[in-house]
Amino acid sequence: SQKIEQNSEALNIQEGKTATLTCNYTNYSPAYLQWYRQDPGRGPVFLLLIRENEKEKRKERLKVTFDTTLKQSLFHITASQPADSATYLCALEYGNNRLAFGKGNQVVVIP
Amino acid sequence: GAVVSQHPSRVICKSGTSVKIECRSLDFQATTMFWYRQFPKKSLMLMATSNEGSKATYEQGVEKDKFLINHASLTLSTLTVTSAHPEDSSFYICSASLEETQYFGPGTRLLVL
Repeated sequence: SQKIEQNSEALNIQEGKTATLTCNYTNYSPAYLQWYRQDPGRGPVFLLLIRENEKEKRKERLKVTFDTTLKQSLFHITASQPADSATYLCALEYGNNRLAFGKGNQVVVIP
Repeated sequence: GAVVSQHPSRVICKSGTSVKIECRSLDFQATTMFWYRQFPKKSLMLMATSNEGSKATYEQGVEKDKFLINHASLTLSTLTVTSAHPEDSSFYICSASLEETQYFGPGTRLLVL
């Protein structure tokens, strides 16, 4: 069966450190993968898109890697700040631009 | 840029009534919009793909007669929950597609009593 796995445990991290989140998937062949941020009671906010032929993408303090052999994406927040505290969602394309989402991984940045 | 709005943000209704939720792309045109629902601490579940000028495509297990979708223009899609029941209570979120990226609305919290 198809699965998208993100760590269910919250990641508590000291301000200024790098937060690294993992997204593993099985039985998908996504043309691209996206990362979103979601705050409680709000809709997701788009962060980054990475295509299957790209290994790495950066945007300001964010970095995403995509390994289609391992079926894994890593999401990094460098120099983390308390304002980065949120839930981060991994989403895979599965045809006709539809997205399948993971459950998300909560990040708590401690001042 | 790429702002999507939803209305209403919260709605409480009695069991058996119908509720309409609007999704608008404010600063871009979207030929495709998507409707999701999300239960507490769960992932977003795609309900249907809404295409301007044509019928919506529903995901497996989603009742098309229960969740009516209309995409009347390039900036507006509506979801109507018909004959709502308490089990329909959820957080409904729409997105509008701009190339490969989906931009999400703020969501609508539906509570059916």
